[in-house]
Amino acid sequence: EAGVVQSPRYKIIEKKQPVAFWCNPISGHNTLYWYRQNLGQGPELLIRYENEEAVDDSQLPKDRFSAERLKGVDSTLKIQPAELGDSAVYLCASSLGRGSNYGYTFGSGTRLTVV
Amino acid sequence: GESVGLHLPTLSVQEGDNSIINCAYSNSASDYFIWYKQESGKGPQFIIDIRSNMDKRQGQRVTVLLNKTVKHLSLQIAATQPGDSAVYFCAEIDNTDKLIFGTGTRLQVFP
Repeated sequence: EAGVVQSPRYKIIEKKQPVAFWCNPISGHNTLYWYRQNLGQGPELLIRYENEEAVDDSQLPKDRFSAERLKGVDSTLKIQPAELGDSAVYLCASSLGRGSNYGYTFGSGTRLTVV
Repeated sequence: GESVGLHLPTLSVQEGDNSIINCAYSNSASDYFIWYKQESGKGPQFIIDIRSNMDKRQGQRVTVLLNKTVKHLSLQIAATQPGDSAVYFCAEIDNTDKLIFGTGTRLQVFP
């Protein structure tokens, strides 16, 4: 099993440029999460999907961030335009379902540096 | 390699000693807690979990203790090995089924 696959692993962009991250969850996992991890901190949830539906996006800065999971499998997270403060590791995770009865598996993340 | 965090609390132990990492949580309604290990350049990896109806759970070389009265979790690692060096996070699932991470602790193991 490949686990949760994310790409790219690293991205360096200039501020005001757009950027996109891609995530392929574990096969059969209906729930997909995007987290942001700032340096020295724990991951913070940005958005949660149940299949193709975004069921919790309250922490997503909607003025510049967007996400989609069109077919309920892989997902993309986009930032446009990027700001210096967006530099962080963006983690994707997936689980069979929602809540404590299901384990979460994290990908290795995309490290974004905005210069 | 990359650093998960530069200003985290750090616990330094000698190889073979036991390690204890502590965590405080805030939501008394949370009923499920998880410890994650995060190595440099990787995502968090599940170590052990515990439900709120328990106060202790043991795994292979790891034990989690839960004190609901003071909202405190601890992770005990027996016979700490160099491969245990990483950042450790506690996390809780709150009453909205959201996974929330606490402050990490960097564990450094010296030979």
